Amino acid sequence: QSALTQPRSVSGSPGQSVTISCTGTSSDVGNYKYVSWYQQHPGKAPKLLIYEVTKRPSGVPDRFSGSKSDNTASLSISGLQAEDEADYYCLSYAGRYSWVFGGGTKLTVL
Amino acid sequence: QVQLVESGGGVVQPGRSLRLSCAATGLSFSEYGMHWVRQAPGKGLEWVAVVSYDGGSRYYADSVRGRFTISRDNSKHTLDLEMKSLRADDTAVYYCAKDLLASLDGYIDHWGPGTLVSVSS
Repeated sequence: QSALTQPRSVSGSPGQSVTISCTGTSSDVGNYKYVSWYQQHPGKAPKLLIYEVTKRPSGVPDRFSGSKSDNTASLSISGLQAEDEADYYCLSYAGRYSWVFGGGTKLTVL
Repeated sequence: QVQLVESGGGVVQPGRSLRLSCAATGLSFSEYGMHWVRQAPGKGLEWVAVVSYDGGSRYYADSVRGRFTISRDNSKHTLDLEMKSLRADDTAVYYCAKDLLASLDGYIDHWGPGTLVSVSS
């Protein structure tokens, strides 16, 4: 159950778009549709942004979108806003009823 | 609205035990799988354990299997985590978390504020 690989940090200016990658293996990301993304502000609990690779829960802006190709899932954020500055984590099912998070990516809005 | 509130955290010596609890309100508790997720200070999230809606199935991360036990009481709307043989690397904020769907897909749509467990001599 090794953590999925995410870039440690990404940045963008307000209004721009950024993409955060989440790379796993054929045993997790590559083999299942059960990929989700979470946003966590400092000192707060995480918030679900994307589930089942591409779906958004109600209340999540359509500026947030998800995709997957082979062993890599991606979270894209368009029209960056100051409040998007946070840590982002991917989570994937890894088989045999186990789940694995990515190491997390810090998004800085310049 | 859904509220999850953890309790039971604190400072504990290595090798000792601790029991965390989570009180759930505002949901049909018995319809959803429930997870524990932890976060060591300054570190990322780590999935710990999950229990099915009826308590009949329980699964654990390799790092805690054999030491931690997840359980639930649907009549009381509570989720527990019994932790034994605690180690320094178990130090973390522990989150109680609810699965989005009735099936165990691992989509976590509600989280508690967390409770801090510190394992230190």
